[in-house]
Amino acid sequence: GEDVEQSLFLSVREGDSSVINCTYTDSSSTYLYWYKQEPGAGLQLLTYIFSNMDMKQDQRLTVLLNKKDKHLSLRIADTQTGDSAIYFCAELWNNAGNMLTFGGGTRLMVKP
Amino acid sequence: EPEVTQTPSHQVTQMGQEVILRCVPISNHLYFYWYRQILGQKVEFLVSFYNNEISEKSEIFDDQFSVERPDGSNFTLKIRSTKLEDSAMYFCASSDPTQGAGNQPQHFGDGTRLSIL
Repeated sequence: GEDVEQSLFLSVREGDSSVINCTYTDSSSTYLYWYKQEPGAGLQLLTYIFSNMDMKQDQRLTVLLNKKDKHLSLRIADTQTGDSAIYFCAELWNNAGNMLTFGGGTRLMVKP
Repeated sequence: EPEVTQTPSHQVTQMGQEVILRCVPISNHLYFYWYRQILGQKVEFLVSFYNNEISEKSEIFDDQFSVERPDGSNFTLKIRSTKLEDSAMYFCASSDPTQGAGNQPQHFGDGTRLSIL
């Protein structure tokens, strides 16, 4: 079970909330991560959640984890134009040399 | 905030040539990684490295690939005889295992874009 899936694209208006969804298939995942990639840049760690948690909030970011459905979401409150980027979810296999398995990324476009 | 640095940012190489991609991980980190992202595809794990040896590698990481920590600060990825399909963005990452079991967020560099002609 090593497939992580995300929708390709999300468009929101500035000031609205964005919700980026991710599904994963491996129930042995220990940590799940969200990374942000701006054009021409690397992967910036945004936040992460341990698999025994349901929710984690970090300023404008809220991560929700539904372990039963293997569903992870990232909510960005009061989305700004600077939030426009590609967002990747990733799961950690702790029994595999800390290998991260990434989703394909969701491109978030924020319209003024 | 400390960061992972990678050089060069862009490397153009003829097919069949050897290439070395360089990374300086965050100084107190002990786990090092290489990932790659072929244009339009997912970020894929290549290899993890701890205590001067490979701890895990993927199917992609065949005999053409090798990693080395030549000194106390650098971590390199060598591709011995490059192929067209090696063209990709290569990301280095590092993490700190002392934060606790499993809690080692991986911090990534900005990547090296490798173009094989």
